[in-house]
Amino acid sequence: DAGVTQSPTHLIKTRGQHVTLRCSPISGHKSVSWYQQVLGQGPQFIFQYYEKEERGRGNFPDRFSARQFPNYSSELNVNALLLGDSALYLCASTPSPTVNSPLHFGNGTRLTVT
Amino acid sequence: AQKITQTQPGMFVQEKEAVTLDCTYDTSDQSYGLFWYKQPSSGEMIFLIYQGSYDEQNATEGRYSLNFQKARKSANLVISASQLGDSAMYFCAMSQISSGSARQLTFGSGTQLTVLP
Repeated sequence: DAGVTQSPTHLIKTRGQHVTLRCSPISGHKSVSWYQQVLGQGPQFIFQYYEKEERGRGNFPDRFSARQFPNYSSELNVNALLLGDSALYLCASTPSPTVNSPLHFGNGTRLTVT
Repeated sequence: AQKITQTQPGMFVQEKEAVTLDCTYDTSDQSYGLFWYKQPSSGEMIFLIYQGSYDEQNATEGRYSLNFQKARKSANLVISASQLGDSAMYFCAMSQISSGSARQLTFGSGTQLTVLP
């Protein structure tokens, strides 16, 4: 079975530009979450979607937005990129957003902002 | 606020020996989950083991076991018979339902494990 897939794997953008990252969850998983991992730190929660509705967002500015499509895939959008947005962006899926269900992560998209 | 503390930035272990990676957590919730993930240099986050706050027995998954001490709020990972392929960053994480019913993981800062031949 295919795991969580993310695209692209690497991306280089310039300050002020916009970026869209894509994620396909494991088949049958209806919940998708996004995390940002800055070099040398643990991942930080950005968004969670379940059944196409936003369930919550972490402490990130409004430049970050996301959506989930009818097939449960998801996009993360970041506007007006800053140098500090350079990070590994991880997408994770789970069958349901219960506290005991492990998140299954993709390989991530490594974003570099110059 | 939820917090995960991993006090060992780096650890070394000899191949075939056991190693314990420390994790303490802070929460006022009664229901939560504790997870350990492995992150090789390639970047993927690999789920290793889970412990629920109401589970009375320590979780085990193959060579991985979780030493759960609820009163001390600790959830240490024990890797037995270390292998060279175990060299990676290890993250402890806590799962809770936050406001708006979002389920999120709070991660620690990680421990870089190096297995020596």
